[in-house]
Amino acid sequence: QQQVKQSPQSLIVQKGGISIINCAYENTAFDYFPWYQQFPGKGPALLIAIRPDVSEKKEGRFTISFNKSAKQFSLHIMDSQPGDSATYFCAASVAGKSTFGDGTTLTVKP
Amino acid sequence: DAGVIQSPRHEVTEMGQEVTLRCKLISGHNSLFWYRQTMMRGLELLIYFNNNVPIDDSGMPEDRFSAKMPNASFSTLKIQPSEPRDSAVYFCASKKGGGIPGELFFGEGSRLTVL
Repeated sequence: QQQVKQSPQSLIVQKGGISIINCAYENTAFDYFPWYQQFPGKGPALLIAIRPDVSEKKEGRFTISFNKSAKQFSLHIMDSQPGDSATYFCAASVAGKSTFGDGTTLTVKP
Repeated sequence: DAGVIQSPRHEVTEMGQEVTLRCKLISGHNSLFWYRQTMMRGLELLIYFNNNVPIDDSGMPEDRFSAKMPNASFSTLKIQPSEPRDSAVYFCASKKGGGIPGELFFGEGSRLTVL
């Protein structure tokens, strides 16, 4: 049973554009929703995270929007840069244990 | 500060051989997670320890897989006997705070190829 569904699988954006990645979850017990960024040959690294009592969190060019009633959350990357090209994973956590989405490969073209 | 350290970074072995992957946690972290990453199945949680105690091993594929945490800073994941379908990148990750929500710190992974 896939508890966290992520889309799209891949995304190509022009430099300066907005990248949007969406996730949906089923388990209402999840209490922490992080996004991780992974570069080739490296492990995932935390990018930004949100708790379910907040509808939006912004850190620099990265924003999480959270819709608790719809059980959906999304990552927005503003002014996307070629250096943002990576694989992005959403995750949902309960009791400290995280379940990951399948990942989105983002390519930002110069 | 040193991050999570995994070894070996790459392992190529033949079917039927034993494989041992190693992980050193970040000092002060008390939770340890083993994940497997493949193109087909993404990042799968295999097992999770808190304070050296296995909490959830429901993701361990079968009895060929075993994991131990002999002390607070070190863990091993063993596959015996290995099979070609075990080929994947295996990550360990550590976290402070046990069941409290928080950041996972991943190692750089061990890429396993079973021929």
